[in-house]
Amino acid sequence: AQSVTQLGSHVSVSEGALVLLRCNYSSSVPPYLFWYVQYPNQGLQLLLKYTTGATLVKGINGFEAEFKKSETSFHLTKPSAHMSDAAEYFCAVSENNAGNMLTFGGGTRLMVKP
Amino acid sequence: EAQVTQNPRYLITVTGKKLTVTCSQNMNHEYMSWYRQDPGLGLRQIYYSMNVEVTDKGDVPEGYKVSRKEKRNFPLILESPSPNQTSLYFCASTDRGFNGYTFGSGTRLTVV
Repeated sequence: AQSVTQLGSHVSVSEGALVLLRCNYSSSVPPYLFWYVQYPNQGLQLLLKYTTGATLVKGINGFEAEFKKSETSFHLTKPSAHMSDAAEYFCAVSENNAGNMLTFGGGTRLMVKP
Repeated sequence: EAQVTQNPRYLITVTGKKLTVTCSQNMNHEYMSWYRQDPGLGLRQIYYSMNVEVTDKGDVPEGYKVSRKEKRNFPLILESPSPNQTSLYFCASTDRGFNGYTFGSGTRLTVV
């Protein structure tokens, strides 16, 4: 069975500082990995995804994530936080491409201080 | 505009009164899913559908029903809602290549 752990339910950074949101997964097969962002009162929006190929994945809004198989990690980073990045972020894993086994982590709420 | 549309956005109901939350997508996606979101638990899959007339249980299916009679629609039915079904519900769809789900805006359900 697959599972996702997001370390830190709340992360606070200053505007302009590095953003690092941690995600570790367990999977019995090479996984598909995703990061989603949820702004208040909205649905989830896909930030980026890893399926195969290059392990460093770039997404929207300046975010990127690196798939590290040896560490079973897929941490999300952004070099310089902006106030508009304040939101909840979800890591998700799927063991297939059938769309029926997407498992989410518990989410990390990112707060950005001026 | 490509989107997943859920209705209603907000719903307050009483225990035992049957309700349906509608979901429709305009992207011709094969796969559709329902999730519920609860604080600290992330999103948990209720039911999913891989095509018309093909549905299966997710992680938390108890107390819910779904149907997929048309490709674009995937309603979620609560035959006898209970307070523990108070939650934020999301419908989502994706294509065969699984390029990530597209989510609806959510339905906040309160059962009193």
